[in-house]
Amino acid sequence: DQQVKQNSPSLSVQEGRISILNCDYTNSMFDYFLWYKKYPAEGPTFLISISSIKDKNEDGRFTVFLNKSAKHLSLHIVPSQPGDSAVYFCAASNTGSNTGKLIFGQGTTLQVKP
Amino acid sequence: NAGVTQTPKFRVLKTGQSMTLLCAQDMNHEYMYWYRQDPGMGLRLIHYSVGEGTTAKGEVPDGYNVSRLKKQNFLLGLESAAPSQTSVYFCASSYVGGSNEADTQYFGPGTRLTVL
Repeated sequence: DQQVKQNSPSLSVQEGRISILNCDYTNSMFDYFLWYKKYPAEGPTFLISISSIKDKNEDGRFTVFLNKSAKHLSLHIVPSQPGDSAVYFCAASNTGSNTGKLIFGQGTTLQVKP
Repeated sequence: NAGVTQTPKFRVLKTGQSMTLLCAQDMNHEYMYWYRQDPGMGLRLIHYSVGEGTTAKGEVPDGYNVSRLKKQNFLLGLESAAPSQTSVYFCASSYVGGSNEADTQYFGPGTRLTVL
């Protein structure tokens, strides 16, 4: 039972345009959501997060939107750069468990073309 | 600050062999985690620890054991390796398991394990 789903395995965009990566979740106990970025042969690195008390969090070119009623979050990258080409994982957590456990989606491979 | 390190980086085992993967962190983090990454599956939690001397099962614990004898180290053991355990293994650590960026999980570079 996949509690966090990224339904698009891959996305290709032109440099300078917007990249939109999507993520859906099913567990209503999740209250903290994160995006990680992963380059080949490296470990994932934290990109941006959002708490369920917010609907938007912005950090430079990266913005995460959360729609709790739809159990959907998205990551917007504007403008996209070739260095953004990587695999992006969304993850969700139930902070009330006090375990820090993250449930990850399958990942979306983003290719930004020059 | 080395962050999170993993040993070894690569390993090939035969079915039935055993091995231990070592994770070390120098950030004084309380919580540590072991994940495996398989194509199309994302990262799945194997075991985790919320402090020295404590461990707990994650989503896919079968066939693995762990130990956290020292705060900075988290060991993952495979007692009798199977081809289904061929994967990339990532260790991660965090201060605690809260909901702010200070509690973010930091990942090691991974160990690529092949079981023949």
